Amino acid sequence: EAGVAQSPRYKIIEKRQSVAFWCNPISGHATLYWYQQILGQGPKLLIQFQNNGVVDDSQLPKDRFSAERLKGVDSTLKIQPAKLEDSAVYLCASSHGLNTEAFFGQGTRLTVV
Amino acid sequence: KNEVEQSPQNLTAQEGEFITINCSYSVGISALHWLQQHPGGGIVSLFMLSSGKKKHGRLIATINIQEKHSSLHITASHPRDSAVYICAVSLPADPGTGNQFYFGTGTSLTVIP
Repeated sequence: EAGVAQSPRYKIIEKRQSVAFWCNPISGHATLYWYQQILGQGPKLLIQFQNNGVVDDSQLPKDRFSAERLKGVDSTLKIQPAKLEDSAVYLCASSHGLNTEAFFGQGTRLTVV
Repeated sequence: KNEVEQSPQNLTAQEGEFITINCSYSVGISALHWLQQHPGGGIVSLFMLSSGKKKHGRLIATINIQEKHSSLHITASHPRDSAVYICAVSLPADPGTGNQFYFGTGTSLTVIP
C-alpha cells in the first residue's frame, strides 16, 4: 500500500513569513497526527485528528499554528507568521485504529532564517 | 520527567558488534513501538509489541510489562544500521479518539566499518 505522503520535503523561509505543509495519510486511516521534531529531540505532538475532528491540540501554538482535515482525509498544517524556533522537521503520521501501528511520512524539514 | 526514557543517547559500535538500546516508560500502555529514523527525517516502524519478544532479521525487540522496560537488540551490526532509534509507547484509547503516543528522545547509533 502507498505510504503517508508529505510535501514539500524541504522549505526555507524568512521569519514572519507563512508556510503550509500537506499530508495525505494511508487510505482508510482514521487517525492523523502532526508532530514537530526539533533536532536532537523526540517528536512532539502538535495535533491529532480522528476523521475530521480534533482529538488533541493542546500543544499546538494556536496563535501562529493552524491545521485542518476538512474531509477527513488529507490535512494541511500552517504556520503564520513563522519564528526562528519553528525550525524543525514536521512529521505527519496516520494509523488505522486502536492499538495499531502509526505510519510516518518522510517529514518536511523547515528552516526559518 | 519524560514518560519514555531511552539509553544510551548516543552509541558508537564497530561493525559486527551486538548492540542493545534500552527503553523505560512510566505510564500504562497498550503497546510499545521501536522506530528507526535516518538522516532526512523519515521514520520507519520496526516493531510494535505488547508482550514477549519479536524478531525481524537481525533485529530483536523484547518487552517486560511488569518492569515497564523494553530493549532493542541488533546482532552483527552493519554501517547501514546507523540511524536514530526511537522508542514510543501508545496509550489505551477510546474508539472515538485513536491512540496517543509518547516518544523517547532517541538513541543515535553509529556503526563504524
